[in-house]
Amino acid sequence: GAVVSQHPSRVICKSGTSVKIECRSLDFQATTMFWYRQFPKQSLMLMATSNEGSKATYEQGVEKDKFLINHASLTLSTLTVTSAHPEDSSFYICSASLGPVGNQPQHFGDGTRLSIL
Amino acid sequence: AQKITQTQPGMFVQEKEAVTLDCTYDTSDQSYGLFWYKQPSSGEMIFLIYQGSYDEQNATEGRYSLNFQKARKSANLVISASQLGDSAMYFCAMREPRGGNQFYFGTGTSLTVIP
Repeated sequence: GAVVSQHPSRVICKSGTSVKIECRSLDFQATTMFWYRQFPKQSLMLMATSNEGSKATYEQGVEKDKFLINHASLTLSTLTVTSAHPEDSSFYICSASLGPVGNQPQHFGDGTRLSIL
Repeated sequence: AQKITQTQPGMFVQEKEAVTLDCTYDTSDQSYGLFWYKQPSSGEMIFLIYQGSYDEQNATEGRYSLNFQKARKSANLVISASQLGDSAMYFCAMREPRGGNQFYFGTGTSLTVIP
């Protein structure tokens, strides 16, 4: 069964709206979660690393004020796209690992398709 | 330099045949992990198989096997007895200890299984 839950799966909203996406680890604690963005037919682009109880680490070129990440508990990280515009339309997907090292894969949520009109 | 390179943007395979998806990686670490994921058109990322850098045997998981050639820094995915449901994007990824939990993904290979 799924180990990471992501909600909502699809969002369609007007330009200027802020959108919150939730990522939950199921039955395990995730001190670190990751947020990716994916354009059609392209690879996953790491946006930021979400750390429980501290500030997120953003990748170069990702606007911190645009993409707000909060990791308030060991099982929940949220990504808020503030004042979204059509260019923010994309597929956003989160992940978490069961453990910090070795053979633990990242487990992904089912992703969120964001469409800004 | 690219950490993970997948040189096949698209591949076709006949149903029931085997197919190899290529992946090469670049790292100076001795300890690292290699992973393959499948992404159907619905978007979810499905973990398929893992190979550790110290593993002497090639990993296998059902119809999936990983052809690990450490000296060549390659970790090719072999899918045997292809099924129509195997049609999807396939991503190779690497995890380095120095990168914390960060994974580096390749650009992916789109596999189409032909009936």
